[in-house]
Amino acid sequence: DTGVSQNPRHKITKRGQNVTFRCDPISEHNRLYWYRQTLGQGPEFLTYFQNEAQLEKSRLLSDRFSAERPKGSFSTLEIQRTEQGDSAMYLCASRSAGAGAYEQYFGPGTRLTVT
Amino acid sequence: AQSVAQPEDQVNVAEGNPLTVKCTYSVSGNPYLFWYVQYPNRGLQFLLKYITGDNLVKGSYGFEAEFNKSQTSFHLKKPSALVSDSALYFCAVRPSSNTGKLIFGQGTTLQVKP
Repeated sequence: DTGVSQNPRHKITKRGQNVTFRCDPISEHNRLYWYRQTLGQGPEFLTYFQNEAQLEKSRLLSDRFSAERPKGSFSTLEIQRTEQGDSAMYLCASRSAGAGAYEQYFGPGTRLTVT
Repeated sequence: AQSVAQPEDQVNVAEGNPLTVKCTYSVSGNPYLFWYVQYPNRGLQFLLKYITGDNLVKGSYGFEAEFNKSQTSFHLKKPSALVSDSALYFCAVRPSSNTGKLIFGQGTTLQVKP
């Protein structure tokens, strides 16, 4: 069990640029979540995948944000035309479909700074 | 609205003393409740969960939490704090939806002094 991995760990970009983050979940986990965490706050839910299907999106996920999980394994989160308000830590988590497996396991996050 | 509140931004305890980090929740239906810990520059680590059954649940690193339905609380406890327990702690609730998304509190910083 290698845990959830995220790349890159840090990203600095200029306002208006596009960025893409990658998440590799724990291999047998078919459920994947994206959260955003700003300084001094708890993580906020962005979107959820079960296998390759995106089943829920938060209102926080504006049309500049898009997420994919094309083969039900890794996932990408893209932000187009970044704004300074997008600066945050983006967290990915995965969960097993097994009975009683309600807890999510989080990756280390990608810290985005928009200048 | 479904929410989680952690009323204390910071909790200070001396090493060896018991600690409590408070959490209250508002959710429809039966709550699924979780505690996570976050160390600097690291992701959230799962500590423990309450799904059903015994109101006192035990988790990693000697932590436990008590579910109180009448007070809608899920306080995190440890009988004897360690300096290494110093970190940011988050309480989370799973709303009654099929997706399993979590709603987090704003976090409580635990500072354990030698």
